[in-house]
Amino acid sequence: NAGVTQTPKFQVLKTGQSMTLQCAQDMNHEYMSWYRQDPGMGLRLIHYSVGAGITDQGEVPNGYNVSRSTTEDFPLRLLSAAPSQTSVYFCASSPRQGGGYTFGSGTRLTVV
Amino acid sequence: GQSLEQPSEVTAVEGAIVQINCTYQTSGFYGLSWYQQHDGGAPTFLSYNALDGLEETGRFSSFLSRSDSYGYLLLQELQMKDSASYFCAVNSGGYQKVTFGIGTKLQVIP
Repeated sequence: NAGVTQTPKFQVLKTGQSMTLQCAQDMNHEYMSWYRQDPGMGLRLIHYSVGAGITDQGEVPNGYNVSRSTTEDFPLRLLSAAPSQTSVYFCASSPRQGGGYTFGSGTRLTVV
Repeated sequence: GQSLEQPSEVTAVEGAIVQINCTYQTSGFYGLSWYQQHDGGAPTFLSYNALDGLEETGRFSSFLSRSDSYGYLLLQELQMKDSASYFCAVNSGGYQKVTFGIGTKLQVIP
């Protein structure tokens, strides 16, 4: 099992560009979430999903879109990148019955 | 919304015991989780408490008091490799939505 796979690991964008951060899990987990981590601010929830076709907003959803067409994939789209979106992004998944979230290795995004 | 408070930094001696406290305010509380994150790494799940009381997993234990909106993580027989950040997190409105605190950076010294 690969667990939670995030691509790319590093990315530099120019202000105004759009891009998609990929996340895939092979554990058949129902729940998936996206977090961003900034120094001194912990992990902040962007969007989450309880299953294919169902998503909801977290604490900081503005500027980001998600969709969940399959159980395995949960991509995060940046619509028009801004320097404030410079951060480390983590995708995570969990089974419905609990057991904690498994995190991917992260994507370090810089917007210039 | 949700808010969580935990100390920003803790220093402890190798072999000792350390307790990291967490207080929370949230609607629809479902449970309290703890995660560990080493510098440059991803968070890893340590424990989950849905009911009051103590849960033990090896050298780590986690406690929850729902009436006090309070929990703690207890690390025993500290090792140098335990130097990391520890996050408490609340599951609210169900298990699927997890909100994290800002984390406690634990430094274990010889």
